[in-house]
Amino acid sequence: DSGVTQTPKHLITATGQRVTLRCSPRSGDLSVYWYQQSLDQGLQFLIQYYNGEERAKGNILERFSAQQFPDLHSELNLSSLELGDSALYFCASSVGGNGYNEQFFGPGTRLTVL
Amino acid sequence: AQSVSQHNHHVILSEAASLELGCNYSYGGTVNLFWYVQYPGQHLQLLLKYFSGDPLVKGIKGFEAEFIKSKFSFNLRKPSVQWSDTAEYFCAVNVRQAGTALIFGKGTTLSVSS
Repeated sequence: DSGVTQTPKHLITATGQRVTLRCSPRSGDLSVYWYQQSLDQGLQFLIQYYNGEERAKGNILERFSAQQFPDLHSELNLSSLELGDSALYFCASSVGGNGYNEQFFGPGTRLTVL
Repeated sequence: AQSVSQHNHHVILSEAASLELGCNYSYGGTVNLFWYVQYPGQHLQLLLKYFSGDPLVKGIKGFEAEFIKSKFSFNLRKPSVQWSDTAEYFCAVNVRQAGTALIFGKGTTLSVSS
């Protein structure tokens, strides 16, 4: 157990819908990262928050957004869902906000868009 | 485009065989390098990391990796694999000047037969 929790574990929804994925970082970690894992693209970095502020942005679609709340948990919102959004979404957390910090990964949320 | 390549998609070994998994990256700047492992049904875990200094780094469970700067490589090795090493292995790179994101390779599935 990494100490990072993600809910829900599985999510099945239809095209055009909107979903919210939730992540709670390890106690004491200020950074939260979101990654998408799909068969064709592999593991891709989406976005990072550090202590409530957006720190870095990767290949995140405009239909996707995220935020980090004062209690440091984070939510990833996916809207106007398409079939291609079906993937495993991982959250990771680290103590600091730079590349020297080990990222601890959660178990992931498997999203299926039908 | 910047990328991380893992040459082997699927490696099958018998117990006690030696393992080497290749990883090459295409960034010209200073990098931090990581190997993560994902055991069946579990979250991603850090095996080892390299930031600077001795290019031969030792990680958990008898794994080691060697950073060869001239070859842009960070290959993972283990002299004698066990059945319990069956997992998916991911090489990841953080480009220090580019921020905090981890860029992952597509992963190598290792199957060890007893």
